[in-house]
Amino acid sequence: GAVVSQHPSWVICKSGTSVKIECRSLDFQATTMFWYRQFPKQSLMLMATSNEGSKATYEQGVEKDKFLINHASLTLSTLTVTSAHPEDSSFYICSAPDSGGVSTDTQYFGPGTRLTVL
Amino acid sequence: GDSVTQMEGPVTLSEEAFLTINCTYTATGYPSLFWYVQYPGEGLQLLLKATKADDKGSNKGFEATYRKETTSFHLEKGSVQVSDSAVYFCAQNAGGTSYGKLTFGQGTILTVHP
Repeated sequence: GAVVSQHPSWVICKSGTSVKIECRSLDFQATTMFWYRQFPKQSLMLMATSNEGSKATYEQGVEKDKFLINHASLTLSTLTVTSAHPEDSSFYICSAPDSGGVSTDTQYFGPGTRLTVL
Repeated sequence: GDSVTQMEGPVTLSEEAFLTINCTYTATGYPSLFWYVQYPGEGLQLLLKATKADDKGSNKGFEATYRKETTSFHLEKGSVQVSDSAVYFCAQNAGGTSYGKLTFGQGTILTVHP
């Protein structure tokens, strides 16, 4: 089946620094990818939709200047957490659909990136 | 707005017990419904899905039926195994302009003991 990878799997950074997380579709192309945030023992919350060749669309309440998304190619989307603070510590997960984007698509999820901001 | 509500966990069962995890949804349209599973240390994987009312999704002995009249999509398995221990998420995709966007329930931790 389709595989989505994320890098790094775990990152620790100092408050005020920026961190970049990569999401790659390894064996298929994805014009759209999604970024989720998961707090401990809680559900996944959609942050934004990453669109290849155009700007990302952010969910209500998500700061676009804080969480920069770049869909650099049909297989790569990056999430940059700028000027990270301890409250940004979380588990970030990306996903990509397996075909053109209708509601019945299966989403393939990356294994997630654990961000800890000191 | 659209939402998904799962039964609270954690759920602890003995091997070969019957499993039910309840899931209900609210939606303005006719969503597709999914169950995803997250094994320890791994990413979410699709377990099963149903795209319209009365559809039954099934996989690995798990089943769920899309019930429009009760807005439910309960997950069942007749005989669980230790290897089924994981976190289970119910989710919906409203489609239309929201295609691809999944709304998740809070997740249910399942632990199966030998």
